[in-house]
Amino acid sequence: EAGVAQSPRYKIIEKRQSVAFWCNPISGHATLYWYQQILGQGPKLLIQFQNNGVVDDSQLPKDRFSAERLKGVDSTLKIQPAKLEDSAVYLCASSFITGRTDTQYFGPGTRLTVL
Amino acid sequence: KQEVTQIPAALSVPEGENLVLNCSFTDSAIYNLQWFRQDPGKGLTSLLLIQSSQREQTSGRLNASLDKSSGRSTLYIAASQPGDSATYLCAVFYNFNKFYFGSGTKLNVKP
Repeated sequence: EAGVAQSPRYKIIEKRQSVAFWCNPISGHATLYWYQQILGQGPKLLIQFQNNGVVDDSQLPKDRFSAERLKGVDSTLKIQPAKLEDSAVYLCASSFITGRTDTQYFGPGTRLTVL
Repeated sequence: KQEVTQIPAALSVPEGENLVLNCSFTDSAIYNLQWFRQDPGKGLTSLLLIQSSQREQTSGRLNASLDKSSGRSTLYIAASQPGDSATYLCAVFYNFNKFYFGSGTKLNVKP
């Protein structure tokens, strides 16, 4: 079974630039999550999709972050414009139903460095 | 505000030793709790999931316990091996799709 795919694996940008991350979840998984993990901290949920609808985006900085999952499969997370404090690993995860009762499967993450 | 704390932040033990990792949470109204493993440069791998009605779960050399009333969970690793070296994170799940991760315990098992 193929796992959660993410790209790119690494990205270095200047502050105020834009960046986009892509995630392809495990086939058949209805729920998709984007997390931000700052060095030395646990992951923080940014947004959760159920199929192509948003379940929770309460911790997404909506003035600069956006995410979409148009066809209920893969998803993109965008930052525009980036700030220094956005430097982190961005993790995508998926689960068959919802992570409260079902195991989440994580991708390898995208390490973003903002200079 | 829900908080999840993991102690210690780092742990180094010789191979073969049994060890315990701790996770504490401030709000006891949890739905379930999960323990994850994170290897450098990789995503998280789920190890054990304990429902709020359960007191423990076991998988191989791993045993996780849950005490909701005291707001604590422990992950017990028996006969540790160098391959167990990783960061271990606990995540507490509440209703309405709210969940919070601890900062993790970085484990190093020395051969």
